[in-house]
Amino acid sequence: DADVTQTPRNRITKTGKRIMLECSQTKGHDRMYWYRQDPGLGLRLIYYSFDVKDINKGEISDGYSVSRQAQAKFSLSLESAIPNQTALYFCATSELAGPNTGELFFGEGSRLTVL
Amino acid sequence: QKEVEQNSGPLSVPEGAIASLNCTYSDRGSQSFFWYRQYSGKSPELIMSIYSNGDKEDGRFTAQLNKASQYVSLLIRDSQPSDSATYLCAVRYSNYQLIWGAGTKLIIKP
Repeated sequence: DADVTQTPRNRITKTGKRIMLECSQTKGHDRMYWYRQDPGLGLRLIYYSFDVKDINKGEISDGYSVSRQAQAKFSLSLESAIPNQTALYFCATSELAGPNTGELFFGEGSRLTVL
Repeated sequence: QKEVEQNSGPLSVPEGAIASLNCTYSDRGSQSFFWYRQYSGKSPELIMSIYSNGDKEDGRFTAQLNKASQYVSLLIRDSQPSDSATYLCAVRYSNYQLIWGAGTKLIIKP
């Protein structure tokens, strides 16, 4: 089984619908992240969390919200999906501190299409 | 604005040759540098990290860092078809912030 699991892997939805992407991890890491990846662009950070009580906005948080239900679970919600949120979404984890915080462990990705 | 630049490619290299991938970054305050490999339809995976000027070797991979020139590169020796992927450069600017390049697509021709 994957250390970082994302569900769903693929989702097609319509404009205005609420969507939740879920992420769970068995690596025991405190830090969790949500990124989106678009063709021709680098990974962009949506939200990150250092622990259950510490959630922070990334560079492109507008239109998204998150919930850290437990150390191992971090969910991303699109309250009212729009077509430009069509992208590949990745959840990732890392260790809490030290130089290895740049080493991210990614889930398999969730491909979201908003029609 | 902090930026990380990579040539998008594709970079085509014959099997057995050396593949050279380059990355430049804008902020001199950057602390750590990472190369990730991403196969088509898959998630990124870390292959090299480098923190100080000079070369770091790991098997067929060598990462090179030149902070004065704000330049980091990845060399792949004896390139194999299985090395065909997109290579992402990431630069850490703070305790949490990674800035990512858009990636270079590498094609190894048999």
